[in-house]
Amino acid sequence: GAGVSQSPSNKVTEKGKDVELRCDPISGHTALYWYRQRLGQGLEFLIYFQGNSAPDKSGLPSDRFSAERTGESVSTLTIQRTQQEDSAVYLCASSLDRPTDTQYFGPGTRLTVL
Amino acid sequence: DAKTTQPPSMDCAEGRAANLPCNHSTISGNEYVYWYRQIHSQGPQYIIHGLKNNETNEMASLIITEDRKSSTLILPHATLRDTAVYYCIVRVAEWSSGSRLTFGEGTQLTVNP
Repeated sequence: GAGVSQSPSNKVTEKGKDVELRCDPISGHTALYWYRQRLGQGLEFLIYFQGNSAPDKSGLPSDRFSAERTGESVSTLTIQRTQQEDSAVYLCASSLDRPTDTQYFGPGTRLTVL
Repeated sequence: DAKTTQPPSMDCAEGRAANLPCNHSTISGNEYVYWYRQIHSQGPQYIIHGLKNNETNEMASLIITEDRKSSTLILPHATLRDTAVYYCIVRVAEWSSGSRLTFGEGTQLTVNP
């Protein structure tokens, strides 16, 4: 079946512009996660959504970052007034409704801020 | 979450078993051990997970010591396509801030022809 998809695969933007990154989770997955991976580094947790619960935003690095999720489907990560340090691969993962259920990752969006 | 320690790099000959160690000496009773890998420029891929017992699936085997303070991921017949960074992660079995995956530095496994 279809896996997690993300769009765009690559995004180049200028410093100060806003960007929106999209994640389509696996159908039926109630949990959705966003992570960031800077070049040569490990994954950094940003935010997760679980069903109708309030999202855990504890990993968002600043108030320039926000995310929304429509029901149990698409999620959008928005970065306002992008900075060069925002350049990274942004990864989305989804899982079923138990906390130990496997997280399946998408291919990521590579963001480059000039 | 419990911290994990892995060697930064390992080499393995193609066709041989790759044994990747992980130390998680502060693991709690409700924390699982997960293994993911990340092939260059791709998203992480789930491999296997376990709580106390050894586990095996089509990709690998997971051996957890009786005291749960360390584990070993075994790729029984490594191929060139297994070259990747392997991450050992501990994760609580409840919905909380701990249900996120906390990735450390991982082990760069290089499978040589």
